[in-house]
Amino acid sequence: QKEVEQDPGPLSVPEGAIVSLNCTYSNSAFQYFMWYRQYSRKGPELLMYTYSSGNKEDGRFTAQVDKSSKYISLFIRDSQPSDSATYLCAMSGRRSNYQLIWGAGTKLIIKP
Amino acid sequence: DVKVTQSSRYLVKRTGEKVFLECVQDMDHENMFWYRQDPGLGLRLIYFSYDVKMKEKGDIPEGYSVSREKKERFSLILESASTNQTSMYLCASTPRRDSPLHFGNGTRLTVT
Repeated sequence: QKEVEQDPGPLSVPEGAIVSLNCTYSNSAFQYFMWYRQYSRKGPELLMYTYSSGNKEDGRFTAQVDKSSKYISLFIRDSQPSDSATYLCAMSGRRSNYQLIWGAGTKLIIKP
Repeated sequence: DVKVTQSSRYLVKRTGEKVFLECVQDMDHENMFWYRQDPGLGLRLIYFSYDVKMKEKGDIPEGYSVSREKKERFSLILESASTNQTSMYLCASTPRRDSPLHFGNGTRLTVT
């Protein structure tokens, strides 16, 4: 079983819809959670970063962590065609890039 | 703006060849990383370096080596390329171990 599970999609939704992207994990020691966005033919870029449980909001994006269920989510409100990309979750037990565990990524398509 | 440049976008090599993948960053970052990205598997860390001439194995170092003779350059070496090393290779850098990763746009290597 992988430490981090993420549905690869593709997830196709109409423009303006609320999008929910999710990852589940098995290691209860994970405390640092990240979402990276990767456009086609580009490297990933950090979108959201959260520590421990709770919500974090940044514009149209909300990251949510539920440690009791070992489940993290990224919500995108008022989705735009420019949000079409692959979204990767990453997590670790320590605040260190040396020990990140990555999900496989979910491909998101926003239809105009 | 941080720039991480990978020398080749696409590379085709034959089985048994020695392959060099080059990565250069222009922001004087201490830490540099090599990942491979495969469908369904996400990003997997091959090697990282936290200083010139320093290197540490990641999760999948077998069949690879690295070189960091200058701070801005981190090279990934496939000593004898094999078909199972066909993949997308991503280089990243960061000033501190807990800072966001800055990725290059990747090198897609095909070994035939």
